Amino acid sequence: DGGITQSPKYLFRKEGQNVTLSCEQNLNHDAMYWYRQDPGQGLRLIYYSQIVNDFQKGDIAEGYSVSREKKESFPLTVTSAQKNPTAFYLCASSMTGDATDTQYFGPGTRLTVL
Amino acid sequence: AQSVAQPEDQVNVAEGNPLTVKCTYSVSGNPYLFWYVQYPNRGLQFLLKYITGDNLVKGSYGFEAEFNKSQTSFHLKKPSALVSDSALYFCAVDRGSTLGRLYFGRGTQLTVWP
Repeated sequence: DGGITQSPKYLFRKEGQNVTLSCEQNLNHDAMYWYRQDPGQGLRLIYYSQIVNDFQKGDIAEGYSVSREKKESFPLTVTSAQKNPTAFYLCASSMTGDATDTQYFGPGTRLTVL
Repeated sequence: AQSVAQPEDQVNVAEGNPLTVKCTYSVSGNPYLFWYVQYPNRGLQFLLKYITGDNLVKGSYGFEAEFNKSQTSFHLKKPSALVSDSALYFCAVDRGSTLGRLYFGRGTQLTVWP
């Protein structure tokens, strides 16, 4: 987990509220990623960014938004449009975003909708 | 179509015995294959990857994996299991594009009993 921090570790949200999950890395990596993990489903890609001020949708982007204003930061907003947001959210980064690069993961944020 | 499959949800092995966690993939071209491990409520830790070259890849904590193109498999192995190896293991594949996008299997829960 070293080099990538995610906050908070646990987050509780009421239905209809937007929440923002923080991801910061000090590895000087160009690429950053957001994944969602549900029991028995592995990890699914939400958004990814290979460079500052640019990002692309992953497989399950609906109901989520991101920004990449700084190289070290890639916050994820879970909007009220996300129908089932309760999950474990993982941020990752890699050196250049090339397919051969290793992705390194943060410790995760567990989001629970009450 | 699913890109990577882990056919076993759970694997149980006695401490000191060899362990195998299976992974098969279904992508065209030359895949890049990765193994990660996850401990409870933690992020993923990188174990090893296959990009090209020698089919036998050695990684962290004594783990290794063999790339078999004819069987489209990338099984994770360790000669002698430890109780501390008990965790959730994920296989992931990049479809060999220029942009890094990992597709994860559903995970295999490994339990090593003393």
